Amino acid sequence: TQLLEQSPQFLSIQEGENLTVYCNSSSVFSSLQWYRQEPGEGPVLLVTVVTGGEVKKLKRLTFQFGDARKDSSLHITAAQPGDTGLYLCAVQSSGTYKYIFGTGTRLKVLA
Amino acid sequence: DAGVTQSPTHLIKTRGQHVTLRCSPISGHKSVSWYQQVLGQGPQFIFQYYEKEERGRGNFPDRFSARQFPNYSSELNVNALLLGDSALYLCASSWTGGPGGPQHFGDGTRLSIL
Repeated sequence: TQLLEQSPQFLSIQEGENLTVYCNSSSVFSSLQWYRQEPGEGPVLLVTVVTGGEVKKLKRLTFQFGDARKDSSLHITAAQPGDTGLYLCAVQSSGTYKYIFGTGTRLKVLA
Repeated sequence: DAGVTQSPTHLIKTRGQHVTLRCSPISGHKSVSWYQQVLGQGPQFIFQYYEKEERGRGNFPDRFSARQFPNYSSELNVNALLLGDSALYLCASSWTGGPGGPQHFGDGTRLSIL
């Protein structure tokens, strides 16, 4: 069974601080997605990474896919209260159409 | 354009009953996936349908079933409800449901079992 472990599970920081969230697995994936989910809403896709070592930036968010395509990180610079939410990584299980989501990191940014 | 719409938004049922949840995908999207999200956890994959055919199934009992209609909308049915079925049920649509493709989620149906 392919598992995606995310760390940390919870994170509470002050506005303006930087943070990094990790998504790890022992399996290799062809691509990996990051989503953010706010209370009462469905997840919203932030980015898809495809190539090992790939780095993508979305304003203050930087996403990196591991060289071996087994892990990924999300770095937020100068966090703002609007960044508060549940961050989820997700992959499509190899050879199937089954999607697997990570355990999630719940981020709270205090003003 | 309208996003993915799900109905109802909230539902309360008792043990043993059955429930039908509905999902309308984004116009043009042919794939619909269903997920169960228990409080504090990531979504768990239940089904994926593409062109009215089941293309993927997660580790859920046979009490869970789904179907996709010619207009690509979908229903998720759950029979013999258990307390543990209480969760947020999410629907996601995409063009093909293939690898790496973006999924667009609805805001879910909150199901509570008493």
